[in-house]
This record gives sequence, structure tokens and C-alpha cells, in this order.
Amino acid sequence: GDSVTQMEGPVTLSEEAFLTINCTYTATGYPSLFWYVQYPGEGLQLLLKATKADDKGSNKGFEATYRKETTSFHLEKGSVQVSDSAVYFCALSPPGGYQKVTFGTGTKLQVIP
Amino acid sequence: DAGVIQSPRHEVTEMGQEVTLRCKPISGHNSLFWYRQTMMRGLELLIYFNNNVPIDDSGMPEDRFSAKMPNASFSTLKIQPSEPRDSAVYFCASSLDRANYGYTFGSGTRLTVV
Repeated sequence: GDSVTQMEGPVTLSEEAFLTINCTYTATGYPSLFWYVQYPGEGLQLLLKATKADDKGSNKGFEATYRKETTSFHLEKGSVQVSDSAVYFCALSPPGGYQKVTFGTGTKLQVIP
Repeated sequence: DAGVIQSPRHEVTEMGQEVTLRCKPISGHNSLFWYRQTMMRGLELLIYFNNNVPIDDSGMPEDRFSAKMPNASFSTLKIQPSEPRDSAVYFCASSLDRANYGYTFGSGTRLTVV
């Protein structure tokens, strides 16, 4: 079945550091890929998405590129802020039908001043 | 748009009591999902509906859990009787086109069973 693998956390960075959170997936066909962010005490929020190979999703300075050849969707940000401290979830949605979204286990990011 | 609305935000109940969690999805969304989140088990899909019909309830932990969606604007998740191990944050999410837009999550209900 479908699966999503994320790097283990927590990830601790200093403010203005470069961020990479790795995500790889296993799926049949051509799924859509997502990154969600969960701030403390809140629900998950869609951060960015890519629906086909080589698409780049971006939002709030975060980017991720859908790499079919490496089945990856790594999240990057050039300069993190304290306010980016949250848990980040990678997810995939298979095409069509009643297939549900598969989430990764989440990676906690802590940014220190 | 008010987003996905869940109630209550917090619930504390005694073991053995019935608990009902409520969710109002975004108007026009045709799929609804109930998730449970704990530190130990992470995010677990309990059940999901499409056009008010339950499609997959394989994640419901046991018969004490039940979910209904009587119409397109309302769903409930009921636990009867509740147990301490049910303590978790329960999220409801809705979607119109998950492949292109993903899910919209509510703020969750934090359930504590003592």
C-alpha cells in the first residue's frame, strides 16, 4: 500500500538557518503530494502542494519539488524564523476514487533565537 | 468561510460515560474524515464519509466508537463507554477535491477521560 516516510525529529535550528525536512513516498500511479503544518494546540493546515511530477509547491517561503525519479518531496526554507516552530507532515493523495490521504509521522521543528 | 467547526474544544469526562464529538464541515465539501492524534500513535484515521455515506471505518478502534453523518453539514463521533486510553485530540477534516486541494482540518477536540 501507499506510504510516506519522513525524517525523524525533532529538528532544532537557529533563526535564519536553512531548513530541509526529507520526505519520500511509495505509491502506485501519480499521487498528489502535500505538506501540512501543525502549530501547538491547532489542527493541521495545508502549507503547500504539488499535483504532478516536477511541480514546485511554495508558500510562506517554504518550497518542495515533486521528484518522481527519487519519489521525494523534501521541504525547504532558506531562512527559518522562531514562528516556524511547529510539526510538519508530508502526505500523499492517490488519484481518483475513494482513496484516502496517507500522512507521514510528522517532524517537529524547533527554531531558537 | 468559517472553516471546519468542531465542538467542544475540550472535554473532560469520567470513565464509563458517553462522549459525543461534533463536526460541521465546510459547506460544499463532500468528504469528511475523523482522525485521532496521540503522542504514542501519531495521527490515525478513524473513519471517513463520502456524500454522507461511510466508506471506510477500518480505523475505528472498537465497537465503543461509532460515527454518523446524518446530512452534509453535520457529523458526530460517539464513544460509549469511554475509557482513559481514549484520551487524545480528535480532529475532523473535510475535502471537496483531495487530490488538488487536500483536506481542511478543524481545530480539534481535546478529550480527557479520567
